[in-house]
Amino acid sequence: EAGVTQFPSHSVIEKGQTVTLRCDPISGHDNLYWYRRVMGKEIKFLLHFVKESKQDESGMPNNRFLAERTGGTYSTLKVQPAELEDSGVYFCASSRPGRGTNEKLFFGSGTQLSVL
Amino acid sequence: QKEVEQNSGPLSVPEGAIASLNCTYSDRGSQSFFWYRQYSGKSPELIMFIYSNGDKEDGRFTAQLNKASQYVSLLIRDSQPSDSATYLCAVIGFTGGFKTIFGAGTRLFVKA
Repeated sequence: EAGVTQFPSHSVIEKGQTVTLRCDPISGHDNLYWYRRVMGKEIKFLLHFVKESKQDESGMPNNRFLAERTGGTYSTLKVQPAELEDSGVYFCASSRPGRGTNEKLFFGSGTQLSVL
Repeated sequence: QKEVEQNSGPLSVPEGAIASLNCTYSDRGSQSFFWYRQYSGKSPELIMFIYSNGDKEDGRFTAQLNKASQYVSLLIRDSQPSDSATYLCAVIGFTGGFKTIFGAGTRLFVKA
């Protein structure tokens, strides 16, 4: 079974530019999450998809961030325009259909975003 | 107050020793507790989960849960250099709609 795939693995952009991150979840995993880790801080929740529907986007920092999951397969996270404070590692995670208090997440290797 | 708190470390232990990693959480209604291991530059990987008070053992790993004290721990027996990683405590509870909430992680170094 292929794992969660993210690309690019690294992205260096200038302030004001646009960046799009992609995540391919494990096949059959309806739940897809985006998390972000800023240096030294905890991994913070950004949003949650169930198939193509956004279930919870309470963690999205502001309207410069746009996530999509067309067709309920892969997801993209676009940052436009990027600001310095957007730098960090963006993780995608997926989990099997259904959801409860025993949900186990499978993570991608993350995208290291550096905004200069 | 952070929802999930961990000592950032680094925690350094000699090879063969017991490594003890601790975590406290603020939501008393939390239901499930997880330990993820993250090697440098890699993705977090689930290694243990526990739902009930007490101990749960899996090989060299033991997770301990005390809901009254809102405390979770991970013991690693016979620590190996390959155990050197960041260990993330994670909690699922009613607050925040069953999202997995992570601590900042504890860095563990096992010295050969």
